[in-house]
Amino acid sequence: EPEVTQTPSHQVTQMGQEVILRCVPISNHLYFYWYRQILGQKVEFLVSFYNNEISEKSEIFDDQFSVERPDGSNFTLKIRSTKLEDSAMYFCATSRDYYTGELFFGEGSRLTVL
Amino acid sequence: DAKTTQPNSMESNEEEPVHLPCNHSTISGTDYIHWYRQLPSQGPEYVIHGLTSNVNNRMASLAIAEDRKSSTLILHRATLRDAAVYYCILRDLDANSGNTPLVFGKGTRLSVIA
Repeated sequence: EPEVTQTPSHQVTQMGQEVILRCVPISNHLYFYWYRQILGQKVEFLVSFYNNEISEKSEIFDDQFSVERPDGSNFTLKIRSTKLEDSAMYFCATSRDYYTGELFFGEGSRLTVL
Repeated sequence: DAKTTQPNSMESNEEEPVHLPCNHSTISGTDYIHWYRQLPSQGPEYVIHGLTSNVNNRMASLAIAEDRKSSTLILHRATLRDAAVYYCILRDLDANSGNTPLVFGKGTRLSVIA
């Protein structure tokens, strides 16, 4: 069964450092999403991406966050200057189209900011 | 955003059916009812979705009230592997609404007893 692959599985970084989280979507999927989940809390929407541009973003997705699909395969989330409160599990999700309703989630990348 | 209300937790015995309720009294005509689940230490996983008619797939059944103000996810025979947080989510799939993201609430934590 096709799956969404995320790397790294776990990253530890110092506050203020830049972090890039990577996602390889399922090959024929066109819609991409990032979510995060702080330990013990609910899954929060960050951003959706379609046709090489952001289509929706939440209040969490401020100027320190950015997304891109640089090589047509990887979908990345960059956090420019990490803060302690960015520590969370970050999930990438993709879907073939908008109307099937099914998002496929990766296993997540755990980010720990010290 | 249209909201859903779910019990915080439920318990079931293994190999018995489980009925997970969800209230969504402010649902709009173009909102689809989605169910996802999150197993421990994993990303969310799609379960089922529907608009008006009851739906069945290999994982579960979705029973939707005639007035669409509530729905029930039915696991026909709970296994230990079904222990997870189950999320009932409304998502507007109307083309004119843009790329509405999937927004997770707190869900229902299902415990399965052997």
